[in-house]
Order: sequence, then structure tokens, then C-alpha cells
Amino acid sequence: DAKTTQPPSMDCAEGRAANLPCNHSTISGNEYVYWYRQIHSQGPQYIIHGLKNNETNEMASLIITEDRKSSTLILPHATLRDTAVYYCIPSGTYKYIFGTGTRLKVLA
Amino acid sequence: DAGVTQSPTHLIKTRGQQVTLRCSPKSGHDTVSWYQQALGQGPQFIFQYYEEEERQRGNFPDRFSGHQFPNYSSELNVNALLLGDSALYLCASSYGGQGDGYTFGSGTRLTVV
Repeated sequence: DAKTTQPPSMDCAEGRAANLPCNHSTISGNEYVYWYRQIHSQGPQYIIHGLKNNETNEMASLIITEDRKSSTLILPHATLRDTAVYYCIPSGTYKYIFGTGTRLKVLA
Repeated sequence: DAGVTQSPTHLIKTRGQQVTLRCSPKSGHDTVSWYQQALGQGPQFIFQYYEEEERQRGNFPDRFSGHQFPNYSSELNVNALLLGDSALYLCASSYGGQGDGYTFGSGTRLTVV
């Protein structure tokens, strides 16, 4: 199972892009990169996932480096409701190994 | 469209007792996973059920057991409760496997006193 490194906390001004990095240098070839977020007292919420191509959906964009050793989650226009803990999870099996994530605080 | 439903939302038990937590998966989902989240930590995988069988298990003792019913709902049982079992217990569902990601419920907050 790949290990991940994420900054423990980040601040972002409301309306600006939030770029959350994740290092997963030991990721295996068959492991996708999943991103979830957890707002206080709720269960984790799926955001996006990818294998090696960049992905975009209505919530965010995911940029994965060519060597797949790191990725960046981009929230294009952060709002106060995006304040949460964000988890990057490489996974090729049925289970997730959550790290401690990045606590993103969006500032008004 | 109802998401993942967990019950109860909060529970207080005494050390040594047994507890059963329940989960109804999102409509159309057939796979249920359980996670334990201690305060300030990320969730830890307990096990996953698919076709009424335990498909994969995390590093948890046998005191933790589960069941999946024909309607895909699931129960998590914990015997001989310890103070350290106090945590938020999360249920997550998906179709077939992780695929497009899991849908998590809001959890059951278990306090052991």
C-alpha cells in the first residue's frame, strides 16, 4: 500500500483557487489516486479519482504527474463550504488507507 | 435518492458490553465497507462485505465482526467493548468494488465508558 504525504494545513482566500498537493512516491502501477474530503462531523465525501491522466469534474480538477509520484487537487473557486480535511488515497484494492490529510481553511 | 443510512447516530455503552451498528447502503449499491475513526485521526478500514461474504479485512481483532443481508444492508458487531473502541464508525457503500468511489454515511458515534 502506497504511503502519502500531505501538508497538515493550508489556508485559501474565498474565491481563489485552492491547490492541495499530495506525494505518493511509492504508488503501484494499478493504484488509482482518490481524493475525498471530510467536513466536520460528517462522513468522507468522494471528490475525484484518476489513474494517470488529468481529470476534471464539477467539483474539482486532478493533476497527476507523469511519473505518478505526486498529484494536486484543484478547487477552482474555493468557498467557505470547502473548509474541510482533504485526503489523498492511492488504492488498487477494496480498502482505503487514510492518512491524516490536509486541513483546508477557506478564509472570507 | 437516499444515500448511506447509519443507525443509531450516537450510542453510549459500558466497557465489556456488546454493540451492533447498522448500515443501509445507497440505492443500487451492493458492497458495504466499515471504517473506524478515532478523534483527530483518519478512518481505518475494518472490513468489506460483498455478496454476504467478508471480502477483505483490516487489522482489527476478532471482537469485530459483521454481516451482510440479502438486501445488501449490513451490521457491525463489537464484543467485549474496550474504552479504546470509542470512535466514529463509518459505513461506505459502492457497486461491485471501489469503481467510481465510495459513498459514506455520517457515522455512528460510539462512546464506551
